[in-house]
Amino acid sequence: EAGVVQSPRYKIIEKKQPVAFWCNPISGHNTLYWYRQNLGQGPELLIRYENEEAVDDSQLPKDRFSAERLKGVDSTLKIQPAELGDSAVYLCASSPSARSAQYFGPGTRLLVL
Amino acid sequence: QQQVKQSPQSLIVQKGGISIINCAYENTAFDYFPWYQQFPGKGPALLIAIRPDVSEKKEGRFTISFNKSAKQFSLHIMDSQPGDSATYFCAASTQGKSTFGDGTTLTVKP
Repeated sequence: EAGVVQSPRYKIIEKKQPVAFWCNPISGHNTLYWYRQNLGQGPELLIRYENEEAVDDSQLPKDRFSAERLKGVDSTLKIQPAELGDSAVYLCASSPSARSAQYFGPGTRLLVL
Repeated sequence: QQQVKQSPQSLIVQKGGISIINCAYENTAFDYFPWYQQFPGKGPALLIAIRPDVSEKKEGRFTISFNKSAKQFSLHIMDSQPGDSATYFCAASTQGKSTFGDGTTLTVKP
């Protein structure tokens, strides 16, 4: 069974530029999560989807971050414009349901210069 | 407010020894407590998890001990191996929302 796929794996951009991350969850997983992981810290939830509905986006900085999950499968997380403090690893995870174990992708390492 | 506190921040153990990592939580609504293992450049991988209706769960060399009254849980790695060297995260979840500890970097010396 294929795991969670994320792309790109690495991204270097100048501040104020836009950037987008893509996630393909495990087939059949209805719940999808986007996390941000700063160096030396645990993942912090940005947004959680149940199918195509964002059910928890309370930690998403909505002035510059946006996300979508079309047709309840793939998801895209966008930052526009990026700031220096956005440098982090952005992790996508999926699970069969909200109360099940989460399976993480390899993450996208973002560096904002 | 940090809801899950993990300790120690780093741990060095000799091969064959026991590694113990502790976590404490505050929110009594948490009902699922997983542990994740993360290698450099990889995403966290589920290691073992427990629900609060049991006090201990064992899978191979990995054991979770859970103390509901103290709001604490711990990961024990028996017969630690150099391949266990990684960062370990505890987490606590309720209604699908997970809060992670800050991680413990484990080094197992041969």
